[in-house]
Amino acid sequence: DQQVKQNSPSLSVQEGRISILNCDYTNSMFDYFLWYKKYPAEGPTFLISISSIKDKNEDGRFTVFLNKSAKHLSLHIVPSQPGDSAVYFCAAIGTGGSQGNLIFGKGTKLSVKP
Amino acid sequence: ETGVTQSPTHLIKTRGQQVTLRCSSQSGHNTVSWYQQALGQGPQFIFQYYREEENGRGNFPPRFSGLQFPNYSSELNVNALELDDSALYLCASSRKSLGSTDTQYFGPGTRLTVL
Repeated sequence: DQQVKQNSPSLSVQEGRISILNCDYTNSMFDYFLWYKKYPAEGPTFLISISSIKDKNEDGRFTVFLNKSAKHLSLHIVPSQPGDSAVYFCAAIGTGGSQGNLIFGKGTKLSVKP
Repeated sequence: ETGVTQSPTHLIKTRGQQVTLRCSSQSGHNTVSWYQQALGQGPQFIFQYYREEENGRGNFPPRFSGLQFPNYSSELNVNALELDDSALYLCASSRKSLGSTDTQYFGPGTRLTVL
């Protein structure tokens, strides 16, 4: 049973436009969320995180929004660049036996076209 | 670049064999976590080591075991390999401290193929 879901396997965006990647979760005990970016043949790279006490966190071109009541978060990339083309993973900090560890979604492959 | 290194890069084994994967943590980090990423899936948590002791485990059988050494490097051992163990194995290091959520930094992974 997937606790973190990324329902869009892929997304294609024109360079300069906004990319919006979505993520839903089912466990209301999750209180910290992260986004990672992964290029082929590399490990995931940390992008941005958000605590459940906030609804928005911004870092340069990347902004993460959290809607706790809907158990939904999104990553906005503005403006999108071809170098942003990668697989993006949403992750939540686990609880119980996995406390402190990451529970990942399946990822969304972003393609930014020049 | 995160400073987390893994070896080997690629490995091919046959069913029933045993394998050891290695990870060197980022300087100053005292915690290492291991993840398995199957094709088309997100990484799945295997276990975590903090100060040389197992500190949490995911839904993996006992034939998956690990070690963390005093210099905070780590090993993942898998016995009696099965075809489904074919995956990318990722280690991530972090600095665990009270009252804060530690960000995990990943190595490039080891691609294991079981034939």
